[in-house]
Amino acid sequence: RKEVEQDPGPFNVPEGATVAFNCTYSNSASQSFFWYRQDCRKEPKLLMSVYSSGNEDGRFTAQLNRASQYISLLIRDSKLSDSATYLCGGYSTLTFGKGTMLLVSP
Amino acid sequence: EAGVTQSPTHLIKTRGQQATLRCSPISGHTSVYWYQQALGLGLQFLLWYDEGEERNRGNFPPRFSGRQFPNYSSELNVNALELEDSALYLCASSLDGAQWVTEAFFGQGTRLTVV
Repeated sequence: RKEVEQDPGPFNVPEGATVAFNCTYSNSASQSFFWYRQDCRKEPKLLMSVYSSGNEDGRFTAQLNRASQYISLLIRDSKLSDSATYLCGGYSTLTFGKGTMLLVSP
Repeated sequence: EAGVTQSPTHLIKTRGQQATLRCSPISGHTSVYWYQQALGLGLQFLLWYDEGEERNRGNFPPRFSGRQFPNYSSELNVNALELEDSALYLCASSLDGAQWVTEAFFGQGTRLTVV
């Protein structure tokens, strides 16, 4: 089993929609996690870190469920500019999932 | 404050040659990580350097190697290049990898094309 697994998508949503991604991890020793955003042919940029049960920043909410070993990212009121690939992973090894592609349409 | 910088931004090599990629971390960061991202694939972990030492290595052949200098900058060397090595190579730096909780920031990457 891969250390971090994500649904590759793509997720096609209209503007204004709420969308959620899940990410499962296998290393139960991981203490903290992250979500990065990667635009096409660009470097990943840190979106949110998750150290405890969750974190919220504006339209973005990240949650951590240690019992089930998954991390989720919720995006509310989607914007066209949210279209990107979202990568999750754990800080213990800086291992990333393959990413989930989000396409927000007008 | 300058972010992580990588050079060159693009590199074209022929099969069998060697490639050297460079990375300068954010000032004050001691950990440097290297990743390979082939087209359509996720980030594959290559190497982690901290305080001049190799701390961890991904599942890549020995022809992928590197080092970290006393100023914490790093080089990635790829010997005997193969066509499949064509990818975006990303470097990231963090304040202190040993703490497991420090955030990492990426450079813009070096796009290596092997022909």
